[in-house]
Parts: sequence; C-alpha cells; structure tokens
Amino acid sequence: AQTVTQSQPEMSVQEAETVTLSCTYDTSENNYYLFWYKQPPSRQMILVIRQEAYKQQNATENRFSVNFQKAAKSFSLKISDSQLGDTAMYFCAFMKREGAQKLVFGQGTRLTINP
Amino acid sequence: GAVVSQHPSWVICKSGTSVKIECRSLDFQATTMFWYRQFPKQSLMLMATSNEGSKATYEQGVEKDKFLINHASLTLSTLTVTSAHPEDSSFYICSAQERAYNEQFFGPGTRLTVL
Repeated sequence: AQTVTQSQPEMSVQEAETVTLSCTYDTSENNYYLFWYKQPPSRQMILVIRQEAYKQQNATENRFSVNFQKAAKSFSLKISDSQLGDTAMYFCAFMKREGAQKLVFGQGTRLTINP
Repeated sequence: GAVVSQHPSWVICKSGTSVKIECRSLDFQATTMFWYRQFPKQSLMLMATSNEGSKATYEQGVEKDKFLINHASLTLSTLTVTSAHPEDSSFYICSAQERAYNEQFFGPGTRLTVL
C-alpha cells in the first residue's frame, strides 16, 4: 500500500516570501503521478501542480514549482513570491499510473500568508 | 477546465432520515467517480470508487449498506446516507475522472449535519 506523509502541520510566512512544503511517500510502484492540491477556506479542492514519475524534469506552474526526488521518494512544493490568496490547506497526493487510480492523500499542511 | 458540481451544498436532517447527494460532471464524461469524507482539519478519506454501470468498490471500514452509491450514467453519481445519525455529520466531496486523463476533478463538497 502507498502512504504519503506531510510532516509540517502548519506553516506561516510573510507575504512575498518563498515557502517550501515537504512531502514524502512510500511505494513499490515505478509508474505513478504526484500532485499538490490546495484547499482554501471555501473547501474547493484545486489542483496546484502535477508530476509524472517518469519525467525527470521538475514541474513548474508560474510561482509554484516542485522538487521531485524519486530515489528519496520526496516531493516538495515551493511557492515563490507568496500572496495572501495562497493561504490554504495544501495536500500532497499519490496516484498509481495503472490499475485502480485512487488518490492517496497526505495529512495536509495549513499555510498562512501574513500581510 | 473540467467542472464537477455537487448538490446540495449543505443539508441539515433529522436522525434516522436518509439524505441523497448528487455529483455531476458538467462538461465531460466521467468513467469513474470517487466519494470522499473529510472531518474538520483533517485530510480527505476515500470512501468508495464507482464506475459507470457497475457496483461501487468500498474502502475497508466503510459500510456499504449505510452509504449507498449509484453511478447510473457517465455524468451522474449519487451518494445516499441511509438512516443518518449525528456521527455521519461531515463534509462529503466527490471527484470525477475521465478515462483519457489521469486526473481527478473535484466537486465543491456537501456539508451534512445530522441533528
């Protein structure tokens, strides 16, 4: 079975700073996807970024980038130039490429951006 | 992007009654739909996976007679909480996946309160 661990329950930074959220996972699969989801106070789950395990290049989406270390089974999210609207719960998630494509979520990190 | 709706967004019911929650994919055909439960300040817990036209697959510990799931069409799945009790009060989220895309699109969630 796959597990996803987010070791930072809460983080807080000042607006415009850079923040990195940690995520580690455990799997015996070789082909899979990793995701970071954002859940703002509205509780709507929003996909932030996605990484395919077979791609060595780290995914980026504007101010959001990941550091994917497959051997170490680490998948951290970096938010640059943080904005007040980035305040939310962030969940790291794993999904197998084949078979039952269930998402396995980490415990979440509550990120607060202070003005 | 793909849009998933849920109805109702919130519901209050008396103990012992049944409640039905609808999940619709508005602009794509969802071959698979997922139902999650989320307690306050916790992560999403997968309850069941449903494929169009077949019986749902429930996660370990989820009572299939308590949480009835129907996926009768490629755009609609329903979750019925039967004989609801206060401990069933929670936030229920659905997601939908199109076969061609290895990504789940989430609905806005339904807050259920059982008195």
